[in-house]
Amino acid sequence: QKEVEQDPGPLSVPEGAIVSLNCTYSNSAFQYFMWYRQYSRKGPELLMYTYSSGNKEDGRFTAQVDKSSKYISLFIRDSQPSDSATYLCAMSSSNYQLIWGAGTKLIIKP
Amino acid sequence: DSGVTQTPKHLITATGQRVTLRCSPRSGDLSVYWYQQSLDQGLQFLIQYYNGEERAKGNILERFSAQQFPDLHSELNLSSLELGDSALYFCASSPPISNVLTFGAGSRLTVL
Repeated sequence: QKEVEQDPGPLSVPEGAIVSLNCTYSNSAFQYFMWYRQYSRKGPELLMYTYSSGNKEDGRFTAQVDKSSKYISLFIRDSQPSDSATYLCAMSSSNYQLIWGAGTKLIIKP
Repeated sequence: DSGVTQTPKHLITATGQRVTLRCSPRSGDLSVYWYQQSLDQGLQFLIQYYNGEERAKGNILERFSAQQFPDLHSELNLSSLELGDSALYFCASSPPISNVLTFGAGSRLTVL
């Protein structure tokens, strides 16, 4: 079993929909949680960073961490075609070594 | 521009050859990471250097080696290349005491 599980998709939704992307993990020591966005064949870029549990909001994006369920989510409101990309979750414990999900390919249809 | 510079952007070579990929980290960052991403695959962590010293090793093949120089730039050497080594190779850097990575644009390697 992988330490971090992420459905590779693709996930296809119409423009304007609310998107939910998720990762599950097995290591209870993880306390730093990140979402990166990667456009096709470009370098990943940090989207959201969360420490421990709770929610964090930035514009149309909300990151949610549920440590009791070992489950993290990224919500995208009012999705746009420009949001079409691969979304990678990453997490680490206090050793700062990042463990990556496989990435979910998201397609927003105009 | 992320501040992490990778060269070359594209490289086409033949099986059995050797190539060197270069990375300059963001100003102030001491850690450099190398990742491999094959077509439609996830990021595979290869190796991390911190201020010139190897800090962590991932799934790096024996045919691959890396180093970080005193000016903090890093090189990834790939030798005895095989078709399966064709991939995007990303370099990332991070500041001291941080796990937030900034990625470069990548080097696309094609082995024919």
